[in-house]
Amino acid sequence: QLQLQESGPGLVKPSETLSLTCTVSGGSISSSSYYWGWIRQPPGKGLEWIGSIYYSGSTYYNPSLKSRVTISVDTSKNQFSLKLSSVTAADTAVYYCASLRITIFGVVIPWGYWGQGTLVTVSS
Amino acid sequence: DIVMTQTPLSLSVTPGQPASISCKSSQSLLHSDGKTYLYWYLQKPGQSPQLLIYEVSSRFSGVPDRFSGSGSGTDFTLKISRVEAEDVGVYYCMQGIHLLFTFGPGTKVDIK
Repeated sequence: QLQLQESGPGLVKPSETLSLTCTVSGGSISSSSYYWGWIRQPPGKGLEWIGSIYYSGSTYYNPSLKSRVTISVDTSKNQFSLKLSSVTAADTAVYYCASLRITIFGVVIPWGYWGQGTLVTVSS
Repeated sequence: DIVMTQTPLSLSVTPGQPASISCKSSQSLLHSDGKTYLYWYLQKPGQSPQLLIYEVSSRFSGVPDRFSGSGSGTDFTLKISRVEAEDVGVYYCMQGIHLLFTFGPGTKVDIK
């Protein structure tokens, strides 16, 4: 069974870049059946999809965040990463990494496995 | 952008009774491939969200059969046939057409 674990600084200063890494275990990040994604949740609020990546490097981003987001993959470490630039207090949230599976029949099963989430606070 | 709405935003249910949550999308979620990209998640208190339903009505692995999904086009429903105490939390619908995803605002379910 897939396991995902987020890691990175819990505190980021305004205008700086938020950087998080998700380590995947129990499966290969290079699997052709999976995309990998980032989803965030501001304290007390709902869920917001940030973006997704395929092992080949193909990416999909939330249009509202696209200008500030970069998601990359490191197949040698079985990890994928999130960078969010020019952060403000509005970017304070729990950040989750998750997996999206596409079955051999083309069925898309998004976010079946999640990390535990990591709180990132934007503050000086 | 596709906007997702849910009703009600909160729901208090007696154990053993049914519950129903409605989700509407601002555009049809029926893709040209014939599939409808609508999903349901439950976030229990203090936990990461968990997938319940994919493609409108298919239960994810390990999801009890008291959960069922239905609907088409822009109107969808999640039903719990008999609510149990462990079903408390916030339920989110999510659309994923074209692999771009939008969540609904969530429906908080608690037990009377």
